[in-house]
Amino acid sequence: AQSVTQLDSQVPVFEEAPVELRCNYSSSVSVYLFWYVQYPNQGLQLLLKYLSGSTLVKGINGFEAEFNKSQTSFHLRKPSVHISDTAEYFCAVRAKTSYDKVIFGPGTSLSVIP
Amino acid sequence: NAGVTQTPKFRVLKTGQSMTLLCAQDMNHEYMYWYRQDPGMGLRLIHYSVGEGTTAKGEVPDGYNVSRLKKQNFLLGLESAAPSQTSVYFCASSSPLPNTEAFFGQGTRLTVV
Repeated sequence: AQSVTQLDSQVPVFEEAPVELRCNYSSSVSVYLFWYVQYPNQGLQLLLKYLSGSTLVKGINGFEAEFNKSQTSFHLRKPSVHISDTAEYFCAVRAKTSYDKVIFGPGTSLSVIP
Repeated sequence: NAGVTQTPKFRVLKTGQSMTLLCAQDMNHEYMYWYRQDPGMGLRLIHYSVGEGTTAKGEVPDGYNVSRLKKQNFLLGLESAAPSQTSVYFCASSSPLPNTEAFFGQGTRLTVV
């Protein structure tokens, strides 16, 4: 079975400052990794995903994430945040070797302060 | 392209009433999911389905029933609503292929008074 941990439930950051949202996972098999974003009063949408190849993945709206296999982490970063980045961010995994469902982390609420 | 559509978007129920939430997807996905989202609790999986005619319990199934009679539809039923079921409900669908993402509806805000 897989599990996902997002240690920071809330992250406040000033506008134009950098941000990192942490994600760690546990799995006995290899996984694919995803980050989703949920803007206020909306459903979740895909931000980026890591399937293979370069461990640095770029997504929409200037976000990027880096896969670290040894640390079983997939942290999300943005060098300069905007007010519009205020949202809930969810890390998720799917096992590579089985047709299993998506497993979501508990989410991190990012608040960008003007 | 509609993606995942949930109806209704808002609903207020009295304790003890019943209702059905409808989820429809037009992407021919095999897998469909129902989640509830409460403040500070993240997404909690209620029930899911891996194909037409099949359903399975998630982590918080009590008080809910589901049906998947057609591949494109996944219904969530509340037989006797309780105030503890006040929440925002999200439906999602995905391919069984593990390198693909899930697609979400816009949510249904349910209040039980």
